[in-house]
Amino acid sequence: LAKITQPISMDSYEGQEVNITCSHNNIATNDYITWYQQFPSQGPRFIIQGYKTKVTNEVASLFIPADRKSSTLSLPRVSLSDTAVYYCLVGGMDSNYQLIWGAGTKLIIKP
Amino acid sequence: DGGITQSPKYLFRKEGQNVTLSCEQNLNHDAMYWYRQDPGQGLRLIYYSQIVNDFQKGDIAEGYSVSREKKESFPLTVTSAQKNPTAFYLCASSPSLANYGYTFGSGTRLTVV
Repeated sequence: LAKITQPISMDSYEGQEVNITCSHNNIATNDYITWYQQFPSQGPRFIIQGYKTKVTNEVASLFIPADRKSSTLSLPRVSLSDTAVYYCLVGGMDSNYQLIWGAGTKLIIKP
Repeated sequence: DGGITQSPKYLFRKEGQNVTLSCEQNLNHDAMYWYRQDPGQGLRLIYYSQIVNDFQKGDIAEGYSVSREKKESFPLTVTSAQKNPTAFYLCASSPSLANYGYTFGSGTRLTVV
């Protein structure tokens, strides 16, 4: 099973671009990489998902190198409301579709 | 609005009691999940179900039980066999097991008193 490592915490400022990198050295061939956001005492919210190269949606981008052993979540022009915990997940049919959750990165955005 | 409803939001359990956490979804999703979250940690899978009348154990199923009699409902019972049940419990659903865009409920915080 993939072991997921991500920074425990990060700080940034409003208007900056924030990049959170996740390591998943043992990722299986058919695993996807997914990121979720969680605010205190709430359920996580899906942000983005990818398999390789780059994926972009209206809130974030996900960069995945060719070896897929890491991935980077990029949040453009963050605001105070982006202060949350961000989880990196790996999963796919090789693990019976079960998601392996990282421990989360607490992102604090300062004014 | 479509979504997942978990109840109650807060629950207190005495030692030796069984308690049941409710999870209802109106998204017409086939797959449903129960996770446990402890302070400062990621989510751990308790049970999941990909279809009515079928469910599978996750990583930490001991001391828990579930049922899936209706597509919309996936209640979780925390039994007295669960030695450390104090945690934040999250229910989620997705269109299928292969779809990782889960929709989560707002959670139930269970405390043993």
